[in-house]
Amino acid sequence: QVQLVQSGAEVKKPGASVKVSCEASGYKFTNFALTWVRQAPGQGLEWMGWINPYNANAKSVQNLQDRVTMTTDTSTSTAYIELRNLRSDDTAVYYCARADPGGSTYYYVFWGQGTLVTVSS
Amino acid sequence: SYVLTQPPSVSVAPGQTAYIACGGNNIGYKSVHWYQQRPGQAPVLVIYYNNDRPSGIPERFSGSNSGNTATLTISRVEAGDEADYYCQVWDTSNDNAVFGPGTKVTVL
Repeated sequence: QVQLVQSGAEVKKPGASVKVSCEASGYKFTNFALTWVRQAPGQGLEWMGWINPYNANAKSVQNLQDRVTMTTDTSTSTAYIELRNLRSDDTAVYYCARADPGGSTYYYVFWGQGTLVTVSS
Repeated sequence: SYVLTQPPSVSVAPGQTAYIACGGNNIGYKSVHWYQQRPGQAPVLVIYYNNDRPSGIPERFSGSNSGNTATLTISRVEAGDEADYYCQVWDTSNDNAVFGPGTKVTVL
């Protein structure tokens, strides 16, 4: 069965960096892109970006482009997202999700359990 | 960028029908997907391609999409349906997913 297992909660100070991992199993890792979505406390879902493990092509939303890096390790079927220069409004639960393609759309059947990142001085 | 709108909240009595709207410019030309999120849990896909149900999702969940509004319908609402619901589309012009702001469904 498909599973996405994320790393544990993190507490960071403003200006620091955080790296969250997402280990995939139950399918061929390079066959599907992985997406990162975050959710601030009491807020909605924010799509952050995605990466294709087959060729490592990645794209993030414009307002995060200068602070975020997405990578994959195909030897361990693990995706990573690193967010630099953390601010208090980066406090959120970060989810990875497998992007299932369908013509001109993508949807998300499989999600990680979420990783809480708290940014506080 | 493409923008989706949803009502902040919908209240419904048990056994009745809940309708959750998702608005967007000519959204009828896009495929709309819906997610249920209970407190403290990851989202769960309940409808994809406007009206398809993943395995394990009850038939009480259905969807429609036309014009500028997509709708998630929950028939015979149960207490366990109380959750936040998000619509999602793929914005082909920017090559990214877009989520609606979410609707909190309260079962009275």
